[in-house]
Amino acid sequence: NAGVMQNPRHLVRRRGQEARLRCSPMKGHSHVYWYRQLPEEGLKFMVYLQKENIIDESGMPKERFSAEFPKEGPSILRIQQVVRGDSAAYFCASSPRREETQYFGPGTRLLVL
Amino acid sequence: ILNVEQSPQSLHVQEGDSTNFTCSFPSSNFYALHWYRWETAKSPEALFVMTLNGDEKKKGRISATLNTKEGYSYLYIKGSQPEDSATYLCALGNQAGTALIFGKGTTLSVSS
Repeated sequence: NAGVMQNPRHLVRRRGQEARLRCSPMKGHSHVYWYRQLPEEGLKFMVYLQKENIIDESGMPKERFSAEFPKEGPSILRIQQVVRGDSAAYFCASSPRREETQYFGPGTRLLVL
Repeated sequence: ILNVEQSPQSLHVQEGDSTNFTCSFPSSNFYALHWYRWETAKSPEALFVMTLNGDEKKKGRISATLNTKEGYSYLYIKGSQPEDSATYLCALGNQAGTALIFGKGTTLSVSS
């Protein structure tokens, strides 16, 4: 059973461009969580999705950030018009049910030039 | 706002030493506590989930205890080995079960 997959592992964008981060949960998991680790900071919750629905987006910046988890395909975290402050490591986790252990992917390191 | 504190921030021990770290959290807002082990350039690896006061969990040489009344959890490593070198993260599950609130971690370095 493959673990949580994230791609790309590294992403470089110039200010103003769009960044798309993908997350494929573990097989059988329909709950996806996105976290961000800013430099010198701990992991911070961004958004929780359950197939096709955003359940909790309390940690997501109100502007430029969006997330989806379509019926088919990976979950996508989209950052529009990136700024230097978006440079961070973005981690995805999945679980079979809410409140159960979250299994993490290897992360996507985003660098905004 | 839930706040999870971990101490020490970093720790260096010799191979064979036993060690422990602390995770503190508000006792009035407890639902579940998670411990993760995070090696550089890898995914955080789930170690334990604990929900009940007095819970004790064990996995090989690593064990954890939970005190929800006073708001702390200890992680113990017996006979540390170089491969135990990693950052150990503690996280509190929120009431809705939708998010984990992480501490900043304790970074352990074990030298042979």
